[in-house]
Amino acid sequence: KAGVTQTPRYLIKTRGQQVTLSCSPISGHRSVSWYQQTPGQGLQFLFEYFSETQRNKGNFPGRFSGRQFSNSRSEMNVSTLELGDSALYLCASSLEGRDNYGYTFGSGTRLTVV
Amino acid sequence: GNSVTQMEGPVTLSEEAFLTINCTYTATGYPSLFWYVQYPGEGLQLLLKATKADDKGSNKGFEATYRKETTSFHLEKGSVQVSDSAVYFCALSDYNSGGSNYKLTFGKGTLLTVNP
Repeated sequence: KAGVTQTPRYLIKTRGQQVTLSCSPISGHRSVSWYQQTPGQGLQFLFEYFSETQRNKGNFPGRFSGRQFSNSRSEMNVSTLELGDSALYLCASSLEGRDNYGYTFGSGTRLTVV
Repeated sequence: GNSVTQMEGPVTLSEEAFLTINCTYTATGYPSLFWYVQYPGEGLQLLLKATKADDKGSNKGFEATYRKETTSFHLEKGSVQVSDSAVYFCALSDYNSGGSNYKLTFGKGTLLTVNP
């Protein structure tokens, strides 16, 4: 079956702009989580959605937002980009967001802010 | 809050050497524990997991045992290959111990390089 698909793979944006990243989970998976990966901070949890509802949010400023659609696809948006937002953004899907069912990660979107 | 500490890298080994990457955690209750691997330019792949004390997770020659008494989940492999070169992440989830965070807490990652 198809894995987790993240688009685009690479993105270059200018400081102050906004960006939208997309994640299509594995068919049948209803939970989608987002993580930010940077060399300095490592992997940090952004938020998790299940059936279009945000169930948990990490410690990120309000510039980071997300949503989930009825087909479980998810988007995350970062407004007013800062240089420090440059990172690999990873999406993970699972059946219900519970670890016994496992999390499957996409290949990520590498965002560079210049 | 929950936290995961894993040994600093990078770790450089010769092919067929023994590998240990240490991982300890802080969490309430009985978290589930995971090792993920990240190859260059890719996302994370689940390597193995353990959901209760004394469980041993294993996959592709890698093993890790859930040690409640030492709050550890060290990754081991008896004979590494060049193809094992990657970044390894230890992680925990507290769902099974009553948590409802629906997230993974990761260690900083350990870069492993295996030379032929």
